[in-house]
Amino acid sequence: DTAVSQTPKYLVTQMGNDKSIKCEQNLGHDTMYWYKQDSKKFLKIMFSYNNKELIINETVPNRFSPKSPDKAHLNLHINSLELGDSAVYFCASSQPRGSGFSYNEQFFGPGTRLTVL
Amino acid sequence: DAKTTQPPSMDCAEGRAANLPCNHSTISGNEYVYWYRQIHSQGPQYIIHGLKNNETNEMASLIITEDRKSSTLILPHATLRDTAVYYCIVRPHGSSNTGKLIFGQGTTLQVKP
Repeated sequence: DTAVSQTPKYLVTQMGNDKSIKCEQNLGHDTMYWYKQDSKKFLKIMFSYNNKELIINETVPNRFSPKSPDKAHLNLHINSLELGDSAVYFCASSQPRGSGFSYNEQFFGPGTRLTVL
Repeated sequence: DAKTTQPPSMDCAEGRAANLPCNHSTISGNEYVYWYRQIHSQGPQYIIHGLKNNETNEMASLIITEDRKSSTLILPHATLRDTAVYYCIVRPHGSSNTGKLIFGQGTTLQVKP
């Protein structure tokens, strides 16, 4: 069984369109993340949700809106797509452990390659 | 979060040990050292983490120097499937920990037959 899944795997769209990427984890984790990997392979955190609450927003343009309907899902909606949004987007999850909030291991999905034309 | 420095690339012969170094000279007392890798076209994968003692699991060993300013990830018997980008990350535990990972450029390990 896939631990962290993303759909779609590939997404090709025109500038100005609105699109969504879905993420689901079946690990029972409380915390989920979105990362962006650009064309230079630089991987950067975008958002994090813990129990459906936003805890990290790394100065991402407000065209990007994460939505967490429940703690197993964290979807990413992008409005008015721009050429610079072309990248691979990774979803991840982890479980805070103990009073020290040790997040230890993050499990990543397979990625969604977004191409904006 | 402390910054890490890794060599951009390394080669290793198949079956030999791969030793990947990482410098983290500004690491603070509550920061752990984590290693992840990213095989081509896949999501990053957790390998191992440690605070100050050496650690070993089924994938690798982590050697942290006594002053904690550097560490080495050891893959004891590298295979072609270990070809990947390896990321060394330091991250705090405790209330300042938001869970986010800050990835650098990593080391591209090429395992050769």
